[in-house]
Amino acid sequence: KAGVTQTPRYLIKTRGQQVTLSCSPISGHRSVSWYQQTPGQGLQFLFEYFSETQRNKGNFPGRFSGRQFSNSRSEMNVSTLELGDSALYLCASRQTENTEAFFGQGTRLTVV
Amino acid sequence: QKEVEQDPGPLSVPEGAIVSLNCTYSNSAFQYFMWYRQYSRKGPELLMYTYSSGNKEDGRFTAQVDKSSKYISLFIRDSQPSDSATYLCAMRDTNAGKSTFGDGTTLTVKP
Repeated sequence: KAGVTQTPRYLIKTRGQQVTLSCSPISGHRSVSWYQQTPGQGLQFLFEYFSETQRNKGNFPGRFSGRQFSNSRSEMNVSTLELGDSALYLCASRQTENTEAFFGQGTRLTVV
Repeated sequence: QKEVEQDPGPLSVPEGAIVSLNCTYSNSAFQYFMWYRQYSRKGPELLMYTYSSGNKEDGRFTAQVDKSSKYISLFIRDSQPSDSATYLCAMRDTNAGKSTFGDGTTLTVKP
């Protein structure tokens, strides 16, 4: 069974640009969560989706947005990139709201 | 104050030692408790997932949850150099649709 797949694995962008990250959950999983991980802040919650509905959103500015498609794949978008957005962005999928979450390998975003 | 506080470490132990990793939490809405292991430049790997108070064992790993004290622990027996990683505790509020992570404890097991 394939795990959670995140693309791309690495990305370098310039300040002011926008970026879209993709997450394909484990087959049969209907929930996807996104996290930002930095050395100083640890793992910070961005959003959680279940069956295309956003269930919760973390304390991030409106430049951070996401969505989930009918096939459970999810994307997150960051507009007007800032240097501080450099981080490892992690996606996790779970089968239902009550089951365990499995992480992908992450997308490492560097903003220069 | 953070909802989840994790013993910061870093922790360095000799091979074969018993390791204890600990987290406390303040949110009574947390229903599920997890431990993840994260190697450098990799995504977190789920080690343990528990719901009720008590102990759950899986090989060399034992997760302990005390809901009355809002305290969880992960014990690693017979630690190995391959256990060297950052360990993250996490708590889930299913109703809110949100999991909250501790800041992680970096463990080094020396041969």
